[in-house]
Parts: sequence; C-alpha cells; structure tokens
Amino acid sequence: KAGVTQTPRYLIKTRGQQVTLSCSPISGHRSVSWYQQTPGQGLQFLFEYFSETQRNKGNFPGRFSGRQFSNSRSEMNVSTLELGDSALYLCASSPRTGGHDNEQFFGPGTRLTVL
Amino acid sequence: KQEVTQIPAALSVPEGENLVLNCSFTDSAIYNLQWFRQDPGKGLTSLLLIQSSQREQTSGRLNASLDKSSGRSTLYIAASQPGDSATYLCAGSSGYSTLTFGKGTMLLVSP
Repeated sequence: KAGVTQTPRYLIKTRGQQVTLSCSPISGHRSVSWYQQTPGQGLQFLFEYFSETQRNKGNFPGRFSGRQFSNSRSEMNVSTLELGDSALYLCASSPRTGGHDNEQFFGPGTRLTVL
Repeated sequence: KQEVTQIPAALSVPEGENLVLNCSFTDSAIYNLQWFRQDPGKGLTSLLLIQSSQREQTSGRLNASLDKSSGRSTLYIAASQPGDSATYLCAGSSGYSTLTFGKGTMLLVSP
C-alpha cells in the first residue's frame, strides 16, 4: 500500500505570492491533517479535514487555508507569503474510524522557502 | 492547552548502549501518545502508538510506556545502532487527529 504523498517536494516563492501544496493520503484513509515544522517552533498543527469538512484548526492566521476533495486528497493554500512562512509542511493521514486511537502516518513533506 | 516536553534535547551514545528518551505532557486527558522518528530533512516515521488504555507497546528493540497519571512517556531503545541516529519526537493526541508535539530528542549513536 502506497504511503502518504506530497507534491511538490520543494518550492521557492517570493514574499506576497501565494502557494498551493497537495497531499494524497493512504488509500482508504479519510482524515488528512497538516502541520508546519520550523526550527524555532517545532511541529505545529494547522488543520484537519475529514470527509471534506474542516474538523479542527490550529492557531494560524487566515492566510492559511485548506480543503479536501471527495477522494480524500487535500490541498493547503497560503496567501500573501511572508518570510516566516518558510518551513517544512507535513501532511498526515489516518483511518479516522470514529475512535480516538487513530495512528497518524506522515508524508515526506514540502519544503517551502520564501525569499 | 496541552504542552509536551522532551528531555534530553540531544543525546550521544556509543553503539550497543541501551537508552531511554523521556516525554512529559501537561494534560492527562490525552487519547493516545505516538512516538516518531525523523531523519534530517525527511518526514516522520511512526514508531509506536500507545492508546490511553494501554501501559506500553513494543516493536523490536523499541519499547514505549505511558503513565497518564504522572503525565509521562518513555521510549526505550535496546542495543542502539548507528542507524538509530535521528530525531525522536513524541506527540499526544488531544482528540481525533490533532497531535501536540514535543521539540524532540536528537540522538547520535557512534560506532
């Protein structure tokens, strides 16, 4: 079974631009979560989608948004990029069978550099 | 708000040693705790998941324990190898798929 895939793997943008990152979960997984990883703040939760609905949201500005499609694939968008948005963006999927004991499986991440 | 702390931040050991990585969390109402491994510039690899009703989980040379009452989890690595060198992260689940991560322990195992 293929793992979580993320595209693109690397991205360079300039301040003020916007960017869209894509995540394909493990086949059969219905929950997709996004995390931002920076050297200073570590890993921080952005948001989680389940059945095309945002279920949870972290403490990030409205410039960060996402969506999930009917095939469970997810995209996240960052508008008006700032230098501080440079980070590794990780996507995770889980079966989300209804309980709270769902193991999270992470993709390789997208490295975003904002110049 | 859940906070997760990992001690030590970095650890260097010779090959063959047994070692323990520590993780503490402030909210005992976690649903589960997951240990991950991250190699430089890579994504996270899930090592062990301990559900709130469990006390420990084992996989090969790895053993993780969970004590909700004291807010602690430990990851025990037996007979360490150079290939174990990586950053180890623990994360508590506050509900469904929301994980709160510690800052990690960077492990270096020298031959």
